[in-house]
Amino acid sequence: QKEVEQDPGPLSVPEGAIVSLNCTYSNSAFQYFMWYRQYSRKGPELLMYTYSSGNKEDGRFTAQVDKSSKYISLFIRDSQPSDSATYLCAMSAQGGGNKLTFGTGTQLKVEL
Amino acid sequence: GAGVSQTPSNKVTEKGKYVELRCDPISGHTALYWYRQSLGQGPEFLIYFQGTGAADDSGLPNDRFFAVRPEGSVSTLKIQRTERGDSAVYLCASSSALGTGELFFGEGSRLTVL
Repeated sequence: QKEVEQDPGPLSVPEGAIVSLNCTYSNSAFQYFMWYRQYSRKGPELLMYTYSSGNKEDGRFTAQVDKSSKYISLFIRDSQPSDSATYLCAMSAQGGGNKLTFGTGTQLKVEL
Repeated sequence: GAGVSQTPSNKVTEKGKYVELRCDPISGHTALYWYRQSLGQGPEFLIYFQGTGAADDSGLPNDRFFAVRPEGSVSTLKIQRTERGDSAVYLCASSSALGTGELFFGEGSRLTVL
């Protein structure tokens, strides 16, 4: 079993839909939780960063962390075709530098 | 530079050959990371440097893989006796602060071993 599990999709939604992406994890040492967006043939870019449990909102994006359930989510409101990409969750343990453990990524397509 | 720069962007080599991949991090970033991303997978950690020294090389798959960062800036990932299973995108990232997870990635070097 992988430390971080993520449904690879693909997930296809109409423009304007609310998108829900999620990951589960098994390592209780993880303290830092991130979502990266990766366009085809590009490097990942950081979207959201959360420390420990709680919610964080940035524009159309909301990240949630539930450490008791070992479950994290990313919500995208009013999805746009430009949001079409692969979304990777990533986690790290305190004291581990920035050594990240990634999920497999969920491929999202937002249709016109 | 403005972002993390990686060269070459694409490398095709034959099984058994030696390969070097270069990473030029964001100016002033002290931490530098190498990850490997296979098709349909998330990036997997290989090694990270804090300054010139390798702080954690636990992700290197075997002794054919080696990385250096002699002056604390540019890094080179070296792969000896390449195998077809080494085919992947090798991503470099840099960070200005440890422990926050805010890595800035380059576009990667796509290695194909025939």
